[in-house]
Amino acid sequence: GNSVTQMEGPVTLSEEAFLTINCTYTATGYPSLFWYVQYPGEGLQLLLKATKADDKGSNKGFEATYRKETTSFHLEKGSVQVSDSAVYFCALVGAEAGGFKTIFGAGTRLFVKA
Amino acid sequence: ETGVTQTPRHLVMGMTNKKSLKCEQHLGHNAMYWYKQSAKKPLELMFVYNFKEQTENNSVPSRFSPECPNSSHLFLHLHTLQPEDSALYLCASSQEFTGTSTDTQYFGPGTRLTVL
Repeated sequence: GNSVTQMEGPVTLSEEAFLTINCTYTATGYPSLFWYVQYPGEGLQLLLKATKADDKGSNKGFEATYRKETTSFHLEKGSVQVSDSAVYFCALVGAEAGGFKTIFGAGTRLFVKA
Repeated sequence: ETGVTQTPRHLVMGMTNKKSLKCEQHLGHNAMYWYKQSAKKPLELMFVYNFKEQTENNSVPSRFSPECPNSSHLFLHLHTLQPEDSALYLCASSQEFTGTSTDTQYFGPGTRLTVL
Protein backbone atom coordinates (compact mmCIF):
# COMPACT_ATOMS: atom_id res chain seq x y z
CA GLY A 1 0.00 0.00 0.00
CA ASN A 2 0.92 3.66 -0.13
CA SER A 3 3.08 5.10 2.62
CA VAL A 4 4.84 8.28 3.75
CA THR A 5 8.07 8.47 5.72
CA GLN A 6 9.34 11.70 7.22
CA MET A 7 12.32 12.51 9.36
CA GLU A 8 11.95 12.08 13.07
CA GLY A 9 12.04 15.11 15.27
CA PRO A 10 12.29 17.15 17.13
CA VAL A 11 14.24 19.57 14.98
CA THR A 12 15.63 22.53 16.91
CA LEU A 13 16.91 25.58 15.06
CA SER A 14 17.86 29.14 15.84
CA GLU A 15 15.88 31.97 14.29
CA GLU A 16 16.90 32.74 10.68
CA ALA A 17 18.40 29.27 10.17
CA PHE A 18 17.68 27.19 7.06
CA LEU A 19 15.11 24.44 7.46
CA THR A 20 14.80 21.11 5.69
CA ILE A 21 12.35 18.41 6.72
CA ASN A 22 12.70 15.28 4.62
CA CYS A 23 9.74 13.35 3.29
CA THR A 24 9.74 10.32 1.01
CA TYR A 25 6.83 8.31 -0.21
CA THR A 26 5.81 5.00 -1.73
CA ALA A 27 2.79 4.98 -3.99
CA THR A 28 1.33 3.42 -7.08
CA GLY A 29 0.45 5.75 -9.87
CA TYR A 30 0.74 9.51 -9.49
CA PRO A 31 -0.21 10.75 -6.04
CA SER A 32 -0.67 14.34 -4.96
CA LEU A 33 1.64 15.47 -2.16
CA PHE A 34 0.91 17.79 0.73
CA TRP A 35 2.47 19.44 3.75
CA TYR A 36 0.19 20.20 6.67
CA VAL A 37 1.19 22.20 9.76
CA GLN A 38 -0.19 21.97 13.28
CA TYR A 39 0.46 24.93 15.56
CA PRO A 40 0.20 24.43 19.33
CA GLY A 41 -3.37 23.93 20.47
CA GLU A 42 -4.77 23.77 16.95
CA GLY A 43 -5.75 21.24 14.31
CA LEU A 44 -3.81 20.57 11.13
CA GLN A 45 -3.98 23.05 8.29
CA LEU A 46 -2.78 22.81 4.73
CA LEU A 47 0.57 24.52 4.21
CA LEU A 48 1.23 23.68 0.55
CA LYS A 49 0.67 21.01 -2.05
CA ALA A 50 1.87 19.75 -5.42
CA THR A 51 -0.18 17.61 -7.75
CA LYS A 52 2.31 16.41 -10.37
CA ALA A 53 5.98 15.71 -10.86
CA ASP A 54 8.31 18.74 -10.80
CA ASP A 55 5.58 21.00 -9.39
CA LYS A 56 6.69 23.27 -6.58
CA GLY A 57 4.28 24.13 -3.81
CA SER A 58 4.95 27.27 -1.81
CA ASN A 59 3.34 29.26 0.99
CA LYS A 60 4.53 31.57 3.82
CA GLY A 61 8.15 31.21 2.68
CA PHE A 62 8.01 27.40 2.71
CA GLU A 63 8.64 25.40 -0.46
CA ALA A 64 8.57 21.76 -1.52
CA THR A 65 9.21 20.24 -4.95
CA TYR A 66 7.57 17.02 -6.11
CA ARG A 67 10.49 14.78 -7.18
CA LYS A 68 9.23 11.62 -8.83
CA GLU A 69 12.69 10.26 -9.54
CA THR A 70 13.59 10.26 -5.83
CA THR A 71 10.00 9.87 -4.58
CA SER A 72 10.53 12.84 -2.30
CA PHE A 73 8.77 16.03 -1.23
CA HIS A 74 11.17 17.75 1.16
CA LEU A 75 10.00 20.88 2.97
CA GLU A 76 12.38 23.88 3.00
CA LYS A 77 12.44 27.39 4.33
CA GLY A 78 15.33 29.78 3.96
CA SER A 79 14.96 31.64 7.27
CA VAL A 80 12.76 30.28 10.04
CA GLN A 81 11.04 32.36 12.68
CA VAL A 82 9.97 31.54 16.23
CA SER A 83 6.38 31.55 14.97
CA ASP A 84 7.20 28.58 12.70
CA SER A 85 7.47 26.33 15.75
CA ALA A 86 4.89 23.61 15.09
CA VAL A 87 4.47 20.02 13.96
CA TYR A 88 4.76 19.42 10.22
CA PHE A 89 3.03 16.51 8.50
CA CYS A 90 3.82 15.21 5.04
CA ALA A 91 0.89 13.52 3.33
CA LEU A 92 -0.12 11.99 0.03
CA VAL A 93 -3.40 11.38 -1.67
CA GLY A 94 -3.05 8.32 -3.86
CA ALA A 95 -5.02 5.61 -5.55
CA GLU A 96 -5.92 2.57 -3.48
CA ALA A 97 -8.62 -0.05 -3.76
CA GLY A 98 -11.86 1.88 -3.52
CA GLY A 99 -10.50 5.20 -4.71
CA PHE A 100 -8.14 7.95 -3.54
CA LYS A 101 -7.09 8.05 0.11
CA THR A 102 -4.98 10.35 2.26
CA ILE A 103 -1.96 8.92 4.07
CA PHE A 104 -0.18 11.06 6.69
CA GLY A 105 3.39 10.81 7.87
CA ALA A 106 4.17 10.62 11.58
CA GLY A 107 4.88 14.34 11.88
CA THR A 108 8.08 16.28 12.64
CA ARG A 109 8.14 18.73 15.51
CA LEU A 110 10.10 21.95 14.89
CA PHE A 111 11.33 24.21 17.68
CA VAL A 112 12.75 27.59 16.70
CA LYS A 113 14.74 29.49 19.35
CA ALA A 114 15.02 33.26 19.44
CA GLU B 1 -10.38 30.30 10.07
CA THR B 2 -10.79 26.65 9.22
CA GLY B 3 -14.56 26.38 8.79
CA VAL B 4 -14.56 23.28 10.99
CA THR B 5 -15.55 23.68 14.62
CA GLN B 6 -15.34 21.19 17.46
CA THR B 7 -16.87 21.18 20.92
CA PRO B 8 -15.90 20.87 23.64
CA ARG B 9 -12.25 21.87 23.30
CA HIS B 10 -11.34 20.07 26.51
CA LEU B 11 -13.06 17.16 28.24
CA VAL B 12 -12.21 15.25 31.38
CA MET B 13 -14.24 12.13 32.07
CA GLY B 14 -14.22 9.10 34.29
CA MET B 15 -14.18 5.60 32.90
CA THR B 16 -17.87 5.08 33.64
CA ASN B 17 -19.08 8.32 32.07
CA LYS B 18 -20.85 8.79 28.76
CA LYS B 19 -20.01 11.87 26.75
CA SER B 20 -20.15 13.06 23.14
CA LEU B 21 -17.84 15.08 20.95
CA LYS B 22 -19.35 17.32 18.31
CA CYS B 23 -17.98 18.50 14.99
CA GLU B 24 -19.56 20.92 12.54
CA GLN B 25 -18.30 22.02 9.14
CA HIS B 26 -19.43 25.10 7.25
CA LEU B 27 -17.64 24.32 3.99
CA GLY B 28 -20.30 22.41 2.09
CA HIS B 29 -18.20 19.25 2.14
CA ASN B 30 -19.55 15.74 1.79
CA ALA B 31 -16.93 13.76 3.69
CA MET B 32 -16.14 13.95 7.41
CA TYR B 33 -13.46 12.18 9.42
CA TRP B 34 -12.49 11.40 13.01
CA TYR B 35 -8.79 11.07 13.85
CA LYS B 36 -7.04 10.23 17.09
CA GLN B 37 -3.76 11.99 17.81
CA SER B 38 -1.73 10.56 20.69
CA ALA B 39 1.64 11.75 21.90
CA LYS B 40 4.52 10.26 19.91
CA LYS B 41 2.22 8.24 17.62
CA PRO B 42 1.15 8.87 14.03
CA LEU B 43 -2.24 10.31 13.30
CA GLU B 44 -4.79 7.48 13.43
CA LEU B 45 -7.81 7.55 11.15
CA MET B 46 -10.82 6.23 13.09
CA PHE B 47 -13.93 6.76 10.99
CA VAL B 48 -14.95 8.23 7.66
CA TYR B 49 -18.39 9.31 6.56
CA ASN B 50 -19.08 10.09 2.93
CA PHE B 51 -22.48 11.55 2.06
CA LYS B 52 -23.62 10.55 5.59
CA GLU B 53 -22.68 6.90 5.07
CA GLN B 54 -19.90 5.33 7.10
CA THR B 55 -17.27 4.11 4.67
CA GLU B 56 -14.29 3.44 6.96
CA ASN B 57 -13.99 1.98 10.44
CA ASN B 58 -10.37 1.23 11.17
CA SER B 59 -10.84 -1.45 13.83
CA VAL B 60 -11.95 1.07 16.41
CA PRO B 61 -13.21 -0.35 19.73
CA SER B 62 -16.97 -0.28 20.20
CA ARG B 63 -16.66 2.12 23.13
CA PHE B 64 -16.34 4.77 20.39
CA SER B 65 -19.57 5.20 18.43
CA PRO B 66 -19.80 7.71 15.57
CA GLU B 67 -22.94 9.37 14.30
CA CYS B 68 -23.43 11.52 11.21
CA PRO B 69 -26.99 12.89 11.07
CA ASN B 70 -26.22 15.10 8.06
CA SER B 71 -23.19 16.04 6.00
CA SER B 72 -22.47 19.09 8.19
CA HIS B 73 -22.44 17.40 11.59
CA LEU B 74 -20.45 14.55 13.04
CA PHE B 75 -20.54 13.17 16.56
CA LEU B 76 -18.35 10.77 18.47
CA HIS B 77 -20.14 9.12 21.38
CA LEU B 78 -17.90 7.87 24.16
CA HIS B 79 -18.67 5.34 26.89
CA THR B 80 -16.65 3.24 29.33
CA LEU B 81 -13.38 4.62 28.02
CA GLN B 82 -9.94 3.62 29.24
CA PRO B 83 -7.09 5.91 30.34
CA GLU B 84 -5.18 5.00 27.16
CA ASP B 85 -7.98 6.65 25.18
CA SER B 86 -6.74 10.02 26.41
CA ALA B 87 -5.69 11.93 23.30
CA LEU B 88 -6.52 14.80 20.99
CA TYR B 89 -9.50 13.90 18.80
CA LEU B 90 -9.51 15.74 15.51
CA CYS B 91 -12.39 16.13 13.12
CA ALA B 92 -11.78 16.91 9.45
CA SER B 93 -13.81 17.37 6.30
CA SER B 94 -13.15 17.25 2.58
CA GLN B 95 -15.12 17.65 -0.59
CA GLU B 96 -15.60 13.93 -1.02
CA PHE B 97 -13.93 10.80 0.29
CA THR B 98 -11.90 9.13 -2.46
CA GLY B 99 -13.17 11.82 -4.78
CA THR B 100 -10.01 13.17 -6.37
CA SER B 101 -6.27 12.96 -5.98
CA THR B 102 -6.07 16.63 -5.02
CA ASP B 103 -8.59 16.49 -2.19
CA THR B 104 -7.53 18.65 0.76
CA GLN B 105 -8.71 17.94 4.28
CA TYR B 106 -9.75 20.77 6.57
CA PHE B 107 -9.30 20.15 10.27
CA GLY B 108 -10.99 21.43 13.37
CA PRO B 109 -8.96 22.46 16.44
CA GLY B 110 -9.59 19.18 18.22
CA THR B 111 -10.98 18.06 21.55
CA ARG B 112 -8.37 17.29 24.19
CA LEU B 113 -9.79 14.27 26.06
CA THR B 114 -8.51 13.07 29.40
CA VAL B 115 -9.86 9.82 30.83
CA LEU B 116 -9.29 9.39 34.54
